[in-house]
Amino acid sequence: AQTVTQSQPEMSVQEAETVTLSCTYDTSESNYYLFWYKQPPSRQMILVIRQEAYKQQNATENRFSVNFQKAAKSFSLKISDSQLGDTAMYFCAFMKRPGGGSNYKLTFGKGTLLTVNP
Amino acid sequence: GEEVAQTPKHLVRGEGQKAKLYCAPIKGHSYVFWYQQVLKNEFKFLISFQNENVFDETGMPKERFSAKCLPNSPCSLEIQATKLEDSAVYFCASSPSQGRRGYTFGSGTRLTVV
Repeated sequence: AQTVTQSQPEMSVQEAETVTLSCTYDTSESNYYLFWYKQPPSRQMILVIRQEAYKQQNATENRFSVNFQKAAKSFSLKISDSQLGDTAMYFCAFMKRPGGGSNYKLTFGKGTLLTVNP
Repeated sequence: GEEVAQTPKHLVRGEGQKAKLYCAPIKGHSYVFWYQQVLKNEFKFLISFQNENVFDETGMPKERFSAKCLPNSPCSLEIQATKLEDSAVYFCASSPSQGRRGYTFGSGTRLTVV
């Protein structure tokens, strides 16, 4: 079974600064997907960024980027130019690559509460 | 529509009562997933569907929980004889195929059992 660990329960950052959220995972699979989801106080789950394990290039989406280290099983999220609207819980998630018995289920970490201070 | 619609947003039930939650996936999405988020923010997978067929039900407490996705109807998650520990936010999500691009989540139903 896969496990996802987010070792930082809470973090804070000043507006306009950069912050990195950590995520490690444990799997015996070689093909999989990794995701970061944001959950603001409204509780809506919003997909921030995704990474395909077979791609070496780190994914980027505007101010959000990841540092994917496959050998180390690490998938950190970097938020640049932090904004007040980035205040939210951030969840790292793992999915086995569809096909070959995969059930397309997401396994989530326990989340990191990020607070952006003015 | 382009959103996953969950109803109701809030539901309060007395212990032992039945609770029924609804989810309308995005049109054209073949896969529907139900997750339970408990107070410590942990997500627990409950069940998934491929169209109207159960795909994976390994997370379902089968003695009290049941779910359906019927054609031309919202999907539903029903809890018979609710217990205090069922208090949680229940999320529905849908995906067009296999979830490789991530799911689209609904806004959740907060169930409070008193």
